[in-house]
Amino acid sequence: AQKVTQAQTEISVVEKEDVTLDCVYETRDTTYYLFWYKQPPSGELVFLIRRNSFDEQNEISGRYSWNFQKSTSSFNFTITASQVVDSAVYFCALSYGSSNTGKLIFGQGTTLQVKP
Amino acid sequence: DAGVIQSPRHEVTEMGQEVTLRCKPISGHDYLFWYRQTMMRGLELLIYFNNNVPIDDSGMPEDRFSAKMPNASFSNLKIQPSEPRDSAVYFCASSLNRGLFTEAFFGQGTRLTVV
Repeated sequence: AQKVTQAQTEISVVEKEDVTLDCVYETRDTTYYLFWYKQPPSGELVFLIRRNSFDEQNEISGRYSWNFQKSTSSFNFTITASQVVDSAVYFCALSYGSSNTGKLIFGQGTTLQVKP
Repeated sequence: DAGVIQSPRHEVTEMGQEVTLRCKPISGHDYLFWYRQTMMRGLELLIYFNNNVPIDDSGMPEDRFSAKMPNASFSNLKIQPSEPRDSAVYFCASSLNRGLFTEAFFGQGTRLTVV
């Protein structure tokens, strides 16, 4: 079965703190894709990053970084020096199978609140 | 490109009425998805199309739900008759299959309230 677990329901930090959002996935496929999406208060879903199962390199984009570890089936997301604008719900998602169609299984989401 | 366009943004209807949600995918994308977001169930896939053909509708909750994609630039999701438990945010997304480098882009969603 394919599953994505985001154990942290809500996280609250003060601006400028670092915060890590956890994501654990389950799949029997050897080829799969992992994603993070952001849902700000306005409601849309914004694509942040994609990673395929053959690429375990960590990635950094500005204040955002992602740590992919196949050994622990985790794909964690860290925001460095958080800002109020980072307040949103963050979803980790999994797409599986050799054909990456964009069909996604989502975790339940982590609500991040960054206080000034 | 304008992105995925959904209409209406908000819909309030009475129980028993037919509801139609509309989606215009990103031009050139060959996959289209309908997702539903509720507090209880989170984001769940209802149905998806490839080149206008429905591929997997196993997520459609009941026969009251139907979706069509008559051409590459339009899809609709119909609920008939609607029920209060159908209240949710419905998202449309599209993607272009480029092998390893595919991601789905989402519309802004339609917030449906059935009273």
